[in-house]
Amino acid sequence: ETGVTQTPRHLVMGMTNKKSLKCEQHLGHNAMYWYKQSAKKPLELMFVYSLEERVENNSVPSRFSPECPNSSHLFLHLHTLQPEDSALYLCASSQDGATNEKLFFGSGTQLSVL
Amino acid sequence: QKEVEQNSGPLSVPEGAIASLNCTYSDRGSQSFFWYRQYSGKSPELIMFIYSNGDKEDGRFTAQLNKASQYVSLLIRDSQPSDSATYLCAAHSGGYQKVTFGIGTKLQVIP
Repeated sequence: ETGVTQTPRHLVMGMTNKKSLKCEQHLGHNAMYWYKQSAKKPLELMFVYSLEERVENNSVPSRFSPECPNSSHLFLHLHTLQPEDSALYLCASSQDGATNEKLFFGSGTQLSVL
Repeated sequence: QKEVEQNSGPLSVPEGAIASLNCTYSDRGSQSFFWYRQYSGKSPELIMFIYSNGDKEDGRFTAQLNKASQYVSLLIRDSQPSDSATYLCAAHSGGYQKVTFGIGTKLQVIP
């Protein structure tokens, strides 16, 4: 098993659909993250979970809803998205979010909203 | 607002040359710095990290940090075509994983 796995790799959805992104980490880490990567923009932190508790929410629209049932799994539920939400969504994990933490990324979900 | 600035490139270097990638950051409270490599269509992969002023070497890679100038760089010696990728600079300013990323510099190594 690779360190951080994400599914699906690609997703096309209409603006009225509901879908979920899934992430699983096999590294024994305590912190998990959702990042958004758009063309010509820096990686944008969306959500941070530590030991299943949300510790960071960077003013993300409510059409994105995270869920962390345990320290190994993270979901991002999507509903009524907008075309501008089309981007690469990356899941990441780190040991425990301390100062010098290194991030380990999953392969990402390329999302297209039509 | 905390920012990390990078030239988006592309930076083109011939095979075997030294590639020099640069990054500046705005938050003087930044404590640790990371370089991630991202191949086209792939996710970022950590290749170097540095916490103290000076140089840190790992194989063909050298990270340099100058906190007084708020400047971080990555040198890649003996550049190979397989080094062609986008290199993301990131700064961590404490708190709960408050990592700020730059937009990345695209490196092209010409055979």
